[in-house]
Amino acid sequence: GQQVMQIPQYQHVQEGEDFTTYCNSSTTLSNIQWYKQRPGGHPVFLIQLVKSGEVKKQKRLTFQFGEAKKNSSLHITATQTTDVGTYFCAWAGSYQLTFGKGTKLSVIP
Amino acid sequence: DVKVTQSSRYLVKRTGEKVFLECVQDMDHENMFWYRQDPGLGLRLIYFSYDVKMKEKGDIPEGYSVSREKKERFSLILESASTNQTSMYLCASSDKGQRIDTDTQYFGPGTRLTVL
Repeated sequence: GQQVMQIPQYQHVQEGEDFTTYCNSSTTLSNIQWYKQRPGGHPVFLIQLVKSGEVKKQKRLTFQFGEAKKNSSLHITATQTTDVGTYFCAWAGSYQLTFGKGTKLSVIP
Repeated sequence: DVKVTQSSRYLVKRTGEKVFLECVQDMDHENMFWYRQDPGLGLRLIYFSYDVKMKEKGDIPEGYSVSREKKERFSLILESASTNQTSMYLCASSDKGQRIDTDTQYFGPGTRLTVL
């Protein structure tokens, strides 16, 4: 089956530092979605990328889809305590989304 | 705003009991999903449904069944609960686009089930 790894599993940063999480696939992905889950909350959709090399920005968040559509990244510039949570990538399989295991971000004030 | 509700936030059951988890969405979405979430394992798909009375197995359907009698309601059933089914259960729904897998999923608040 399709192998997609999300790294790192955990990341602790000082407030103001940057943060990046990566999803890497062994095969080409049709699209990729990113979700955020706050502590005690449920996953909330952030964005979807479908085109090769696509880059989208949401304020301090930058999402990128690789040229070969085999990897994606989420970068947060100058983290804030409100960024705390787990970030998941999700990719299209056979009539379903499959979620990565997530990267749990802790921000030290 | 899309609203997905789940019948309970917390549930405690005993081994062998039959457990029903209910999920209701108010946006007339065709697709509904049940996941379980465990530390270190992420979200794993149990079952999904793309239409009333239709159901498809996800990655980990063993020990579970589902029911979709009405479009807005998707139920997860544990026929005989076991301790290894202690988990957070998340329901989600999505609209039917060109492909089921490209649609944004909207999640409910989750039910934390403990089986003793």
